[in-house]
Amino acid sequence: QKEVEQNSGPLSVPEGAIASLNCTYSDRGSQSFFWYRQYSGKSPELIMSIYSNGDKEDGRFTAQLNKASQYVSLLIRDSQPSDSATYLCAVIFNTGFQKLVFGTGTRLLVSP
Amino acid sequence: NAGVTQTPKFQVLKTGQSMTLQCAQDMNHNSMYWYRQDPGMGLRLIYYSASEGTTDKGEVPNGYNVSRLNKREFSLRLESAAPSQTSVYFCASRKLGQAHQPQHFGDGTRLSIL
Repeated sequence: QKEVEQNSGPLSVPEGAIASLNCTYSDRGSQSFFWYRQYSGKSPELIMSIYSNGDKEDGRFTAQLNKASQYVSLLIRDSQPSDSATYLCAVIFNTGFQKLVFGTGTRLLVSP
Repeated sequence: NAGVTQTPKFQVLKTGQSMTLQCAQDMNHNSMYWYRQDPGMGLRLIYYSASEGTTDKGEVPNGYNVSRLNKREFSLRLESAAPSQTSVYFCASRKLGQAHQPQHFGDGTRLSIL
């Protein structure tokens, strides 16, 4: 099992729809979770963080965390073509070094 | 705010040449990282430095060396470049010791080896 697993996609949604991106992780003791957005040819950019079970909203973005199921997701409401990018899930593993592990990313395509 | 600065942004090398990629951060972070990213492979950790004075191998260290010059700077050296090292290289930094700290990335170095 990969430490942090994401569907590579592409996930295709029409403009205005809700995009749902999912991530599972292997360390039951993990406490910190992040979503990064990476445009083609650019570096990863932090867009959301979540630490407690439940939902956290920031504008059109909502992060959802379920530690019991070891599952974290990112919802993008009213998707725009400018949201087309690869979304990386990252998890801090409960080791002495606080290892931050990235998934391989899900490519999102929003069509006009 | 400069954040994490990488130089150069682009470089073309011939097989066998050596090269040092530079990275500096101005956020007073204690940990620094070097990743490479290839199409379809995601981010792969090459080396990291948990704190000034320490360095450790990541998952793909072969063919690379690193130096943590001081708290701000962490360099990556290719002693004898190979075409398989053609990639985009990202440096990142992070503040350890506090919970919930993400990594911050530089803009990347695009390296081609002919």
